[in-house]
Amino acid sequence: DAKTTQPTSMDCAEGRAANLPCNHSTISGNEYVYWYRQIHSQGPQYIIHGLKNNETNEMASLIITEDRKSSTLILPHATLRDTAVYYCIVRVAETSGSRLTFGEGTQLTVNP
Amino acid sequence: GAGVSQSPRYKVAKRGQDVALRCDPISGHVSLFWYQQALGQGPEFLTYFQNEAQLDKSGLPSDRFFAERPEGSVSTLKIQRTQQEDSAVYLCASSLAGVGANVLTFGAGSRLTVL
Repeated sequence: DAKTTQPTSMDCAEGRAANLPCNHSTISGNEYVYWYRQIHSQGPQYIIHGLKNNETNEMASLIITEDRKSSTLILPHATLRDTAVYYCIVRVAETSGSRLTFGEGTQLTVNP
Repeated sequence: GAGVSQSPRYKVAKRGQDVALRCDPISGHVSLFWYQQALGQGPEFLTYFQNEAQLDKSGLPSDRFFAERPEGSVSTLKIQRTQQEDSAVYLCASSLAGVGANVLTFGAGSRLTVL
């Protein structure tokens, strides 16, 4: 799997957009970018994934650069409940039994 | 059920005791995963089942760790002769096969403390 690099921590004001970056410069052509988050004392939660087009769902937007070497997860209007560790993971999509490698992630703190 | 259910949520064991942690995946989910999460770290892969077959157990840290999923649904992670370094949260996740394979739904975890 391609390695990902994320900042250790970030802060965001409540109501503002949170932009979480991820570098994956060694990503292969068939690898997707997945984002998960883990709120304190809970299991990780899937957020969104994409291959090369920008994606949006009810939780977030995912912007992938044209060269696919980096991406940004956007929470458009962060709330206090979005405080969590956010993990960026690169993996082939159709492989059953994918052992997702979580890394250290980014601790996002949303401040009132 | 609607989600992945794990029990017990909290377990305290004395060093040397055996423990068993249970996972009820989402009905119909073919794939089941166990992860171990130490304090302040990301989850680390332990093992993977596709239906009842354990296809990957390369992440199990020692032969004291054993997992099973005999009927392709409920899974049990067993740790024999627990050691203090086994203290962690044990997370179970399930997913569909195919293109949904990497969209894992996690349970809340079982927190094991070994004294």
